[in-house]
Amino acid sequence: QKEVEQDPGPLSVPEGAIVSLNCTYSNSAFQYFMWYRQYSRKGPELLMYTYSSGNKEDGRFTAQVDKSSKYISLFIRDSQPSDSATYLCAMRGNRDDKIIFGKGTRLHILP
Amino acid sequence: DAGITQSPRHKVTETGTPVTLRCHQTENHRYMYWYRQDPGHGLRLIHYSYGVKDTDKGEVSDGYSVSRSKTEDFLLTLESATSSQTSVYFCAISDGPLKNSPLHFGNGTRLTVT
Repeated sequence: QKEVEQDPGPLSVPEGAIVSLNCTYSNSAFQYFMWYRQYSRKGPELLMYTYSSGNKEDGRFTAQVDKSSKYISLFIRDSQPSDSATYLCAMRGNRDDKIIFGKGTRLHILP
Repeated sequence: DAGITQSPRHKVTETGTPVTLRCHQTENHRYMYWYRQDPGHGLRLIHYSYGVKDTDKGEVSDGYSVSRSKTEDFLLTLESATSSQTSVYFCAISDGPLKNSPLHFGNGTRLTVT
């Protein structure tokens, strides 16, 4: 079983829809969870950084962690064409200096 | 891009030739990293540095070396490039160890080895 699994997509949704992006993981030691957004030909940009379980909201973005299910989600409300990008989940343990990245989900928001 | 400049942005080179990629940061961050990103593999750590002249290997370090003679510069060298090193290379920085600080990435160098 891979440490982090993420559906590569592409995921196409109409503008204004709520988008749900997800990752599953196998290592129960992971404590810190991140979401990065990567536009084409650009580097990943940190969107959300959360610790342990629960929700974190930042504008139109909500990160959700369910450690019991080893499942994390990123929700995007009122999606815009500018949200079209690849979204990478990432995570690490409490003592780790190593971050494990998902392979990314390509998202297309259709005008 | 958090004050990170990678050069060159694109490079095509032949198998067997040496190649050096440069990462320059203006954030005065202590930690710097080199990752490669490939379809089907995601981001993988090559080498990292935790201070001037202090470096360590990541998970895919074979065929690569690094040097850091100044806080702001981190060089990645492919001693003898191979086709398997065709990839997009990203430099990243953090202001503390990864257990305390998030990563910020540059915009990458696209390297093609023919």
